[in-house]
Amino acid sequence: GENVEQHPSTLSVQEGDSAVIKCTYSDSASNYFPWYKQELGKRPQLIIDIRSNVGEKKDQRIAVTLNKTAKHFSLHITETQPEDSAVYFCAAKGEDSSYKLIFGSGTRLLVRP
Amino acid sequence: NAGVTQTPKFQVLKTGQSMTLQCAQDMNHNSMYWYRQDPGMGLRLIYYSASEGTTDKGEVPNGYNVSRLNKREFSLRLESAAPSQTSVYFCASRDTTYEQYFGPGTRLTVT
Repeated sequence: GENVEQHPSTLSVQEGDSAVIKCTYSDSASNYFPWYKQELGKRPQLIIDIRSNVGEKKDQRIAVTLNKTAKHFSLHITETQPEDSAVYFCAAKGEDSSYKLIFGSGTRLLVRP
Repeated sequence: NAGVTQTPKFQVLKTGQSMTLQCAQDMNHNSMYWYRQDPGMGLRLIYYSASEGTTDKGEVPNGYNVSRLNKREFSLRLESAAPSQTSVYFCASRDTTYEQYFGPGTRLTVT
């Protein structure tokens, strides 16, 4: 089945710097890759997603890139702000299932003012 | 539009006790999910229901049962709680674009 690995587990950046979180997946047929943000004590919420027919997607300060050959995808946050501090999860949906997402173990991002 | 709701928010059980976690969604979604979240391990799928009347095991189903009562409601039951089931439990539902919407979570402690 699908396996998703996420790095790093913690990331500390200065406000205004960029942050990059990387994930690799095992199922070459996976076709949907979302990123969720979870603030302390809150529920995870989708911030951006990408499908396998697209290489990059941007939404204001966040972007996701997908490399299907290498089976990895990354979240890029530019001009980080203290409110970006949270845990970020990547996930992948395998081709064999329209219903299941497999999540990475999460990255705790701290943006220092 | 409340989205996904869960009850209770907090629960403390003794080993061997049973309980049911309730989840409901008002977005007319077909698919619903139960996850557990443990420190450093992300979100692990316990059970899911692709549509009303169907349920399937996820990554960590042992010790749990589920019921898809109707299209809105999906409950998770612990028949004999164990300390290893101490966790935060999230229910989610999914729309047609694959986005999953999570409930607020239930923090369960088993002593």
